[in-house]
Amino acid sequence: DQQVKQNSPSLSVQEGRISILNCDYTNSMFDYFLWYKKYPAEGPTFLISISSIKDKNEDGRFTVFLNKSAKHLSLHIVPSQPGDSAVYFCAASAVYNNAGNMLTFGGGTRLMVKP
Amino acid sequence: DSGVTQTPKHLITATGQRVTLRCSPRSGDLSVYWYQQSLDQGLQFLIQYYNGEERAKGNILERFSAQQFPDLHSELNLSSLELGDSALYFCASSVDPGVSSPLHFGNGTRLTVT
Repeated sequence: DQQVKQNSPSLSVQEGRISILNCDYTNSMFDYFLWYKKYPAEGPTFLISISSIKDKNEDGRFTVFLNKSAKHLSLHIVPSQPGDSAVYFCAASAVYNNAGNMLTFGGGTRLMVKP
Repeated sequence: DSGVTQTPKHLITATGQRVTLRCSPRSGDLSVYWYQQSLDQGLQFLIQYYNGEERAKGNILERFSAQQFPDLHSELNLSSLELGDSALYFCASSVDPGVSSPLHFGNGTRLTVT
């Protein structure tokens, strides 16, 4: 049972336009969400995060939106650049009785930004 | 460069064998995590250590074990290997063990079981 889903395996956008990557989750206990970017032959790199007490977090060209009622989050990249071409993973976490940090990852979306 | 070092980068071994994967966390990070990425499963959490103690456990098989040493490096031991264990194994580290501390991943060890 996939608790975090990224339904679009790939996305292609033109340089300078907006990229919107989507993520859905089913576990209502998740209260912290992150986006990671992954280039080939490298490990995932942290991009941006959002706590469930917020509905938006912005960092430069990257903005994450959280809709708790819909159990949906999205990552907006504006403007998109060719260097943004990578696989993007959505991840979610919850705190259970002082347990650690168990990230549940989505399957990833491959973003291709065309010059 | 994330600062997390994983060795070896590639490992090819036969079924039934045992291997050890090694991870050195970023300087100053006390928490270490292990993740498995296989073709059909995506990134799956295995286990987390914080300052030498096990902090959280995912769906880690009984054939797998890990530990974090006093110098904070960690090892993941995989035994009685099966073909299905072929995957990329990532180590990550963070300063704190909590959810708000971003993970920094190494470049992974690619394990191939033949």
